[in-house]
Formats: sequence, structure tokens, C-alpha cells
Amino acid sequence: ETGVTQSPTHLIKTRGQQVTLRCSSQSGHNTVSWYQQALGQGPQFIFQYYREEENGRGNFPPRFSGLQFPNYSSELNVNALELDDSALYLCASSLAGNYGYTFGSGTRLTVV
Amino acid sequence: GQNIDQPTEMTATEGAIVQINCTYQTSGFNGLFWYQQHAGEAPTFLSYNVLDGLEEKGRFSSFLSRSKGYSYLLLKELQMKDSASYLCAAYMDSNYQLIWGAGTKLIIKP
Repeated sequence: ETGVTQSPTHLIKTRGQQVTLRCSSQSGHNTVSWYQQALGQGPQFIFQYYREEENGRGNFPPRFSGLQFPNYSSELNVNALELDDSALYLCASSLAGNYGYTFGSGTRLTVV
Repeated sequence: GQNIDQPTEMTATEGAIVQINCTYQTSGFNGLFWYQQHAGEAPTFLSYNVLDGLEEKGRFSSFLSRSKGYSYLLLKELQMKDSASYLCAAYMDSNYQLIWGAGTKLIIKP
């Protein structure tokens, strides 16, 4: 059983640029959620995807968007990067109706 | 509003017992999670409490009291590898999100 894999592991971008982060969900899981974790803070919920549709969203602006593919993998896109977007971005997969979230190791994004 | 509070840092001795508290002002949640997170790594699942009371799982136990807005994680027979951050999170069924505390950094000393 494979876990959740995220790519890339580290990324440096310039303010105003766009970034795409990727996540492969655990085998057998059909739901993917994304979290932003600033240094020394708990994760903040960005959104969740189920059956290729966003079915839950936190307090993040529209420049944070996502996709889920038929194989349940997912992408997080962030446009017009700001310095405050620098954080660890975590992806978690689960099976709908089951509370067993499996997290990936995250992508460390630095915006300069 | 929704808010979850945990102590920022705790120190304990190898072999001892430590209790990490979590208080919340979050209504309408389904249950409360505890996760362990080593620096630079993914959070890993420890426990999920839906009902009030104590759930024991090996060296780790978790307690929930909805009426008091309070949960704790109890770690027994502490080992050096238990040095990590411990995060509590409330699961909101309304929009499927987890609301997290900032985490408690646990330092284990020999």
C-alpha cells in the first residue's frame, strides 16, 4: 500500500509568480484535502476534493485553486504569489466517510 | 469563532508520563483528532475521539469532554523518539475540514 506522495519537496518562487503543487493519494483513497502550515503553526484548511469536485473550502482567496484527476491525484495552484504564501503545503488523502487521513510529507514553498 | 488552544512547549523526562491538553471553542464538530508531527515530516495519526471518555491505545491515550470543551493526550513510558510536536484538530462535518491547534512541542530529556 503506497502512501501519499507530494512533489516537489522544496520550491522557491518570486512574488507575483504562479506555482503548481502535486499530490498522489494513497491507494484506495478517493478524497484529497490541502492544508497550508506556516512555521510554528497548525495547518490551515485550504480545500477538499471528492470525485473531481471541490466539496469544502477554508478561508483562502480564489487565487488558491485546485484540481482532482480521475485517478484521485490532485494539484494545488496558487496565482500571484505573495510573501505570506511561504509555508509547508500538506496534502492528505482519505476514503469518503472514513476519518483516516494520510498526510504527505509536504512541499516547502518559499516566496522571495 | 472557532479556536483551539494548546501549550506551546512542554518538557518531560524519558520513562515518565506527560499529559498534553487541548481546549477548544469550536461548536458543531464531529470528533477530535490527535496527530504527531516530527520536524519537517508529515503529521501521523494518533487518535480520534467522537464520544466523551478515554480511549487507550498502547502507550498513548486520548480523552474528550465535550461539555468542558477539553481534550488531552496522555503519553506513558516516554521514549526519546516521542520528541515531536503534538497537534489536536477538530473535524467539522459541515465542510469536511480539520481545524487545528498550533501544536505542542514536546521535548524529552534523558
